[in-house]
Amino acid sequence: KAGVTQTPRYLIKTRGQQVTLSCSPISGHRSVSWYQQTPGQGLQFLFEYFSETQRNKGNFPGRFSGRQFSNSRSEMNVSTLELGDSALYLCASSFMGSRGVYNEQFFGPGTRLTVL
Amino acid sequence: ELKVEQNPLFLSMQEGKNYTIYCNYSTTSDRLYWYRQDPGKSLESLFVLLSNGAVKQEGRLMASLDTKARLSTLHITAAVHDLSATYFCAVDIASNFGNEKLTFGTGTRLTIIP
Repeated sequence: KAGVTQTPRYLIKTRGQQVTLSCSPISGHRSVSWYQQTPGQGLQFLFEYFSETQRNKGNFPGRFSGRQFSNSRSEMNVSTLELGDSALYLCASSFMGSRGVYNEQFFGPGTRLTVL
Repeated sequence: ELKVEQNPLFLSMQEGKNYTIYCNYSTTSDRLYWYRQDPGKSLESLFVLLSNGAVKQEGRLMASLDTKARLSTLHITAAVHDLSATYFCAVDIASNFGNEKLTFGTGTRLTIIP
């Protein structure tokens, strides 16, 4: 069974540009969550999508956005990049999110974004 | 707002020694996760603790959860070099939708010295 895949694995952009990252969940998984990891702020939750709807959102500015497609693949977009957006972006997928039910999250390898 | 604190942040251990990493969280939750991260790599799930008093062991690692004290521990027994990594605990708040929004601790960078 294939794991969570993320593309690209590495990306270099300059300030002011925008970037789109992609995440393909494990087959059958309908929930995709995104996290940002930086040395200064650690691992922070960005947002989560389920059945093409954003259900949870972290405390990030509106420059960070995402979407999910009908096949559960997800993309996140960062517009007007800043130096501080340099980070490892991780996505995680889980089977489904039901109230009170535990669903293990499986993390992808991440996309390393460098903003110059 | 849920806060998750880990200590210590850095830990250097000699091979063969025992030590414990602590994870405190600020809001009631009965789901606690431990992850391992090697440099430049993603997160590897180690343990999932879903109830008060839960204890899980895998090899030289043992994790426990005390929901009343809002405390989890990751105990390392007779450390070996292969355990060198950064360890994170994470907590989620019971919500309408499950556990897809994790709040992570700061991480503990563990270095095992021969």
